[in-house]
Amino acid sequence: AQSVSQHNHHVILSEAASLELGCNYSYGGTVNLFWYVQYPGQHLQLLLKYFSGDPLVKGIKGFEAEFIKSKFSFNLRKPSVQWSDTAEYFCAVNARGNTNAGKSTFGDGTTLTVKP
Amino acid sequence: GAGVSQTPSNKVTEKGKYVELRCDPISGHTALYWYRQSLGQGPEFLIYFQGTGAADDSGLPNDRFFAVRPEGSVSTLKIQRTERGDSAVYLCASSLGLAEYNEQFFGPGTRLTVL
Repeated sequence: AQSVSQHNHHVILSEAASLELGCNYSYGGTVNLFWYVQYPGQHLQLLLKYFSGDPLVKGIKGFEAEFIKSKFSFNLRKPSVQWSDTAEYFCAVNARGNTNAGKSTFGDGTTLTVKP
Repeated sequence: GAGVSQTPSNKVTEKGKYVELRCDPISGHTALYWYRQSLGQGPEFLIYFQGTGAADDSGLPNDRFFAVRPEGSVSTLKIQRTERGDSAVYLCASSLGLAEYNEQFFGPGTRLTVL
């Protein structure tokens, strides 16, 4: 079974600061990796995803994430945050090529508060 | 087009009662997922459907929970003999195919409160 760990429960930054949110997963096989975001009062939505290829993936709104296989990590980054990035961020994983490939496992989320 | 919709948005019930939660996926999406999100936690997988059949129901916590998708579109999550521990936000998501390679689109959730 897979598991996901997000190290920071709550991060507070000032506008223009750089962001890095940690995500580590545990699974013995090949995985697909995702970051989802939930803005206040809105649905969960996909921020970016990694299936294969270039381990540095770019998503919407200037976010990027890097897959480091040796560290089982998929950290989310943004060089300069904005007040509008205030939201909850979830890392998720599913097993590739598996009969239960539709089953995604989520971390417990990181709440990001950006001060104007 | 319309996104995933869920009804009701809020449901308050008493311990021991039966509840049904409904999910309308995006038209044309063959895969449908149910998750449960407790306060301070991430979504927890319950079950997913590919078409009408439950492809994986390993996340259902016990036999009080059951879900159906009889025509391959709308799905209903049914909870019998509700307990206070069932209180959570129940999320539904749909995708064009299995979530392995397809983006899941989430609904707004149903907040269930069991008194």
